[in-house]
Amino acid sequence: DGGITQSPKYLFRKEGQNVTLSCEQNLNHDAMYWYRQDPGQGLRLIYYSQIVNDFQKGDIAEGYSVSREKKESFPLTVTSAQKNPTAFYLCASSLGLEYAFEQFFGPGTRLTVL
Amino acid sequence: GNSVTQMEGPVTLSEEAFLTINCTYTATGYPSLFWYVQYPGEGLQLLLKATKADDKGSNKGFEATYRKETTSFHLEKGSVQVSDSAVYFCALRDNYGQNFVFGPGTRLSVLP
Repeated sequence: DGGITQSPKYLFRKEGQNVTLSCEQNLNHDAMYWYRQDPGQGLRLIYYSQIVNDFQKGDIAEGYSVSREKKESFPLTVTSAQKNPTAFYLCASSLGLEYAFEQFFGPGTRLTVL
Repeated sequence: GNSVTQMEGPVTLSEEAFLTINCTYTATGYPSLFWYVQYPGEGLQLLLKATKADDKGSNKGFEATYRKETTSFHLEKGSVQVSDSAVYFCALRDNYGQNFVFGPGTRLSVLP
């Protein structure tokens, strides 16, 4: 079955620690995205990547970093510089840049910083 | 810039009631329009989409028609079920940029 996996589903970290969230897709999609969702809110774009070894900042990139060394993987690191990291993080991918292509989403990772 | 506006929630309906969730958009060019659904604690799932004016997207009894003249993409279902309880997001992707713009979501609760 093709899809997007995110791990872990729940993650707890102490304040001041960096943490990396995993996102893997086997859909052979070129574009990948990271979103943040806060309770009762919509999605806000953190970073996106259109191709391997290339990525761009989204609307709320401060305090986050990403890499795209392989087509199928797009890990997100939440650094200690992120002031309010507790949130639900969603990874997504799409076939390419064509406007008709929808995004496919992973199940999400809920990060709680204690 | 591009934007999506959805009706405020939460929306509470009885089972078998008719559902409408309004969505209007502002965009450059000719965007594609999408409805996504999110069940508690899960990621978003594509519900339906339309890529040009007057297209109708449909899936699982839900429908939405791309209305360019009113810049709208309202979601409808004739008879909702308890299992339809979720948050619904309207979204667009234009043909100039690469990224999606999501509305704030509308929470639907269906009571038995």
